[in-house]
Amino acid sequence: DGGITQSPKYLFRKEGQNVTLSCEQNLNHDAMYWYRQDPGQGLRLIYYSQIVNDFQKGDIAEGYSVSREKKESFPLTVTSAQKNPTAFYLCASSRSGTGYEQYFGPGTRLTVT
Amino acid sequence: AQTVTQSQPEMSVQEAETVTLSCTYDTSESDYYLFWYKQPPSRQMILVIRQEAYKQQNATENRFSVNFQKAAKSFSLKISDSQLGDAAMYFCAPLRGATNKLIFGTGTLLAVQP
Repeated sequence: DGGITQSPKYLFRKEGQNVTLSCEQNLNHDAMYWYRQDPGQGLRLIYYSQIVNDFQKGDIAEGYSVSREKKESFPLTVTSAQKNPTAFYLCASSRSGTGYEQYFGPGTRLTVT
Repeated sequence: AQTVTQSQPEMSVQEAETVTLSCTYDTSESDYYLFWYKQPPSRQMILVIRQEAYKQQNATENRFSVNFQKAAKSFSLKISDSQLGDAAMYFCAPLRGATNKLIFGTGTLLAVQP
């Protein structure tokens, strides 16, 4: 079955530690995205990548980093510089070009204490 | 900046009835796309329907249809014959055509009463 996987589903970290969230897709999509969702809010774009070895900052990129070494994978690192990292993180992918729908993974709930 | 307004934080509908969720947006682009996504308690975001702004015909997907008013920048979602499985948070999301970036509203929580 084609789809997007994110692991783990729940992640707990101590303040000051970096943590990497995994996102893998087998839909053969060129574009991949990372969103953050906070309670009572919609999704906000963190980073996106339209092609391998290239990515751009979204609306709330501070304190996050990404890499795109493979078409299938787009890991997100939440660094210690992110002031409020506890949130629900969603990864998505789409075909490249304008107007294509984005398909989402199941999400990772990150809790930092 | 592009903004999206979903003015109904919560809505309720009886099973088998029809409900309409409202959405207005602001954009300076002439070519864009609009989406409705639903997020059930599992928190998986699921695509409901897609509309191309250059098309006058409203999109329809089984029991889901939209009322797209381009001049008014309005994009409402109508759910007919509501089912218990329709209970979810619904998000309106215009897509910036030039960058392919979705802009999400704050959502409408739909409850379906048996």
